[in-house]
Amino acid sequence: AQSVTQPDIHITVSEGASLELRCNYSYGATPYLFWYVQSPGQGLQLLLKYFSGDTLVQGIKGFEAEFKRSQSSFNLRKPSVHWSDAAEYFCAVGPYNFNKFYFGSGTKLNVKP
Amino acid sequence: GAGVSQSPSNKVTEKGKDVELRCDPISGHTALYWYRQSLGQGLEFLIYFQGNSAPDKSGLPSDRFSAERTGGSVSTLTIQRTQQEDSAVYLCASSLARGPDSDNEQFFGPGTRLTVL
Repeated sequence: AQSVTQPDIHITVSEGASLELRCNYSYGATPYLFWYVQSPGQGLQLLLKYFSGDTLVQGIKGFEAEFKRSQSSFNLRKPSVHWSDAAEYFCAVGPYNFNKFYFGSGTKLNVKP
Repeated sequence: GAGVSQSPSNKVTEKGKDVELRCDPISGHTALYWYRQSLGQGLEFLIYFQGNSAPDKSGLPSDRFSAERTGGSVSTLTIQRTQQEDSAVYLCASSLARGPDSDNEQFFGPGTRLTVL
């Protein structure tokens, strides 16, 4: 079965600290992987995506993610968190023809001053 | 240009009533998706439209749910005989094309919050 697991429901980090949000997927074909952010009162915004090639992808707002096929993971990282990064983050996987996407249940990030 | 718009932003209805939710995708986007986001849950895929192809309805949870897309643009999601478990935020997204070789980023609308009393 296709699924995405985000094991951390809530994470709190101090401003300036590093961040890693975990994402594990189960997918029967070549996965196309995405991270989205949903700020309070805002729609979902794409942070980054992985299709092929370099397994370390860079996104907007200083985020990056690393695809590890052996671990079925696509963890999101940021070296130094800003207060404005407080939001909910969703990992998603889709097929080649993008006709259906599977989203994780999200990780809510709180940033302490 | 304008992004994806959805209306209404909020809808409160009584159990058993029918509701219609509207999505206006970005002009020129051929792909359109509907998702449901229940409290504390991720996004649940409902239905996918791509151009003039038959929609992928595999995510619709019951036959009370239906959707159509007129003229390849505006889409309406209809829920008949609403139940309390239908309460959720319904999100619409559109994209320009499909496949990793194309510009395929999904752009999401702000959602419609449906409350069934």
